[in-house]
Amino acid sequence: AQTVTQSQPEMSVQEAETVTLSCTYDTSESDYYLFWYKQPPSRQMILVIRQEAYKQQNATENRFSVNFQKAAKSFSLKISDSQLGDAAMYFCAYRSSYGNNRLAFGKGNQVVVIP
Amino acid sequence: GAGVSQTPSNKVTEKGKYVELRCDPISGHTALYWYRQSLGQGPEFLIYFQGTGAADDSGLPNDRFFAVRPEGSVSTLKIQRTERGDSAVYLCASSLTAGQGPDTQYFGPGTRLTVL
Repeated sequence: AQTVTQSQPEMSVQEAETVTLSCTYDTSESDYYLFWYKQPPSRQMILVIRQEAYKQQNATENRFSVNFQKAAKSFSLKISDSQLGDAAMYFCAYRSSYGNNRLAFGKGNQVVVIP
Repeated sequence: GAGVSQTPSNKVTEKGKYVELRCDPISGHTALYWYRQSLGQGPEFLIYFQGTGAADDSGLPNDRFFAVRPEGSVSTLKIQRTERGDSAVYLCASSLTAGQGPDTQYFGPGTRLTVL
């Protein structure tokens, strides 16, 4: 089974600054998908960004970008120009492309934005 | 359009009771997933449906847990003889096709189950 590790339980960032969340995963597969989800206090998981493993180019969505290092099995999320609304739990998730559709999540990173 | 909805939002029950949690997926989504999120943890997979059938139920912790999706839309997660360790947030998600391409899963707000 794939495991996803997020090792920084809480990260603080000043408003308008940049914060990077780290994620590593363990897999023997060559093709898979990686996701970052945001979970605010409302509990609803919201997709932030996704990356296909076969793509070398790092995904970007507005202020959110990833650094995908396939050989190192690393998938970090960078939040630029942090806003108060970015405060939430962020979860890294892995999904196989070989018929197993479950998402495997890490334990999450709490992001605190300081005004 | 409407997102994934879950009812009830919160459920408090007593040890040994039976509970049902409902999930209404996004219209047109054929795949539906249940996850359980314990305090301070990431969600853990329970079961997923492709249409009416359970395509993978290997995440269900024991035979007290059961889920159905009789018409390929709404799903109900059923827990018999609840235990205090069942207390968690139960999240439902749906996706368009299940396994084809990135096939993003969209989540509902969850049901917080508390077993006293």
